[in-house]
Amino acid sequence: EAQVTQNPRYLITVTGKKLTVTCSQNMNHEYMSWYRQDPGLGLRQIYYSMNVEVTDKGDVPEGYKVSRKEKRNFPLILESPSPNQTSLYFCASSIIPGPGANVLTFGAGSRLTVL
Amino acid sequence: GQQLNQSPQSMFIQEGEDVSMNCTSSSIFNTWLWYKQDPGEGPVLLIALYKAGELTSNGRLTAQFGITRKDSFLNISASIPSDVGIYFCAGQLDGTASKLTFGTGTRLQVTL
Repeated sequence: EAQVTQNPRYLITVTGKKLTVTCSQNMNHEYMSWYRQDPGLGLRQIYYSMNVEVTDKGDVPEGYKVSRKEKRNFPLILESPSPNQTSLYFCASSIIPGPGANVLTFGAGSRLTVL
Repeated sequence: GQQLNQSPQSMFIQEGEDVSMNCTSSSIFNTWLWYKQDPGEGPVLLIALYKAGELTSNGRLTAQFGITRKDSFLNISASIPSDVGIYFCAGQLDGTASKLTFGTGTRLQVTL
């Protein structure tokens, strides 16, 4: 089944304790992206990657890192999490499109709480 | 970064009622998309619109690309309980996912 898999789905951690949220897709998509979802703010892009070894900042990159060493994986790293990073995180992927809509496939989400 | 404003933020309706929601932007887009997020899941694409004025249907859902290219509308007819969720609009200017801007979401609750 074509899908984007995120782990963990739920995590409670403490301020300053480094964590990684993994994301993997099995569709051979070039493009991958991380979003955070907060009440009243919708989905905001954190980082994206157009292909292997190519990453770029989205709208809210502060406090996050990413890497794209392989096409299928795009982990999100919080080096020193803070309570304002408590959120619901989504990974998404797609092919690199031509003109027209780009259909993003989303993972099921990772709910992170930082105490 | 820019965000799209969706209205209403939330709505409670009875099963069988029709639903209307909209999305507005201060700048133009060349593509409008509507996604639905079921509880506990990631968003899934419902409808994509490519041309100003375009009206597209997907079952009980109908979406329109505003002629000013700064807004879009989604209607759901004869709502059912499984319509519950958060609906997001998204605008795209140049056809690349890196430039996809999401709305703030409309939460829909359906009562029996």
